[in-house]
Amino acid sequence: KAGVTQTPRYLIKTRGQQVTLSCSPISGHRSVSWYQQTPGQGLQFLFEYFSETQRNKGNFPGRFSGRQFSNSRSEMNVSTLELGDSALYLCASSPRGSSYEQYFGPGTRLTVT
Amino acid sequence: GQQVMQIPQYQHVQEGEDFTTYCNSSTTLSNIQWYKQRPGGHPVFLIQLVKSGEVKKQKRLTFQFGEAKKNSSLHITATQTTDVGTYFCAGSGGSQGNLIFGKGTKLSVKP
Repeated sequence: KAGVTQTPRYLIKTRGQQVTLSCSPISGHRSVSWYQQTPGQGLQFLFEYFSETQRNKGNFPGRFSGRQFSNSRSEMNVSTLELGDSALYLCASSPRGSSYEQYFGPGTRLTVT
Repeated sequence: GQQVMQIPQYQHVQEGEDFTTYCNSSTTLSNIQWYKQRPGGHPVFLIQLVKSGEVKKQKRLTFQFGEAKKNSSLHITATQTTDVGTYFCAGSGGSQGNLIFGKGTKLSVKP
């Protein structure tokens, strides 16, 4: 089976702009979770989508949002970018949900200038 | 909220030495998972433990889940340069329906 794919792999944006990241899960996985990874805070859970519904949400501001399509592909959107949003954004899919084994994609490296 | 602490933050070993990383949760966990992230890579799922006192082995790696289901450890016997990376534990339990990751232990191995 093909692994989790994420696009784009690298992105440079300016403060105040918005960005959309895309994730295609492993075939058959209905759960897609998004994580933010930074050197200081580590891996932090953003939200999980399961069958097109947001099932869990981490402690991030409303500028971070997501959605999932009927084919399980997911997008994450960050509006009004801040310098502190610079991070590696990882998408993970799971056959069972966000509290079970996660299969991560390669991530999108976002730099906000 | 639930916190997962992991120590040490860094570990430098000579090739052939053993390595252990420890994980402690502020609350009882329903399961604990371990991941490895190579430099420049993404986290890769290694194993999941669900039972109190459970011990699982994968070749030179031994994983333990504490009796109280609040702590866990990963032990690598006779490290090799291919073991280099950051090892994360992640637990779920309590009110959250998602994994809480520890900050990770970064392992470097000197040949």
